[in-house]
Amino acid sequence: DAGVTQSPTHLIKTRGQQVTLRCSPKSGHDTVSWYQQALGQGPQFIFQYYEEEERQRGNFPDRFSGHQFPNYSSELNVNALLLGDSALYLCASSLVGTGDLDTQYFGPGTRLTVL
Amino acid sequence: GEDVEQSLFLSVREGDSSVINCTYTDSSSTYLYWYKQEPGAGLQLLTYIFSNMDMKQDQRLTVLLNKKDKHLSLRIADTQTGDSAIYFCAETGFRDDKIIFGKGTRLHILP
Repeated sequence: DAGVTQSPTHLIKTRGQQVTLRCSPKSGHDTVSWYQQALGQGPQFIFQYYEEEERQRGNFPDRFSGHQFPNYSSELNVNALLLGDSALYLCASSLVGTGDLDTQYFGPGTRLTVL
Repeated sequence: GEDVEQSLFLSVREGDSSVINCTYTDSSSTYLYWYKQEPGAGLQLLTYIFSNMDMKQDQRLTVLLNKKDKHLSLRIADTQTGDSAIYFCAETGFRDDKIIFGKGTRLHILP
């Protein structure tokens, strides 16, 4: 049973560029959440996608956008990269409606470095 | 606003018990979690507790919740070298999809 997978593992970009990160959810899951984890910090919620729509959003600017495909995989896009966008980007998947707790399973993350 | 606080470092001798503490501010927190993160790895959900519970035990792990003081703790019995990692306290509100994380406590195991 494949867990949550993310690609690429590492990425280096320069300021002003755009980046796309990808996530495949755990088999059977239909919901994908994205988190940003800066060095030495806990993960911060960016947004969640369910049924190909953004369901909830954290306190991130519009430069951060996403998409969910019919196969439940998801992309995170960041435009006009800033140095402060350097972080580990974590994807988590869950299955809505499994109970009071829709447990989120995390992938290994994509390490983005902005120079 | 929502906030989760935890101490940044803890050193424990192998075989002793580790106790990691956490405080949170959101009184509507419904679920409280402990996640483990090892170097180069994603987050692993260790255990969680529902807000109407006081304690939960799972093998070597014991979670204590004091809802009045908004204080959560994780006790790891018989700490092993494999327990060396960063432990994150986290919470969600009722029907809230986002998880609010603390900054993590780095657990260091002394020989």
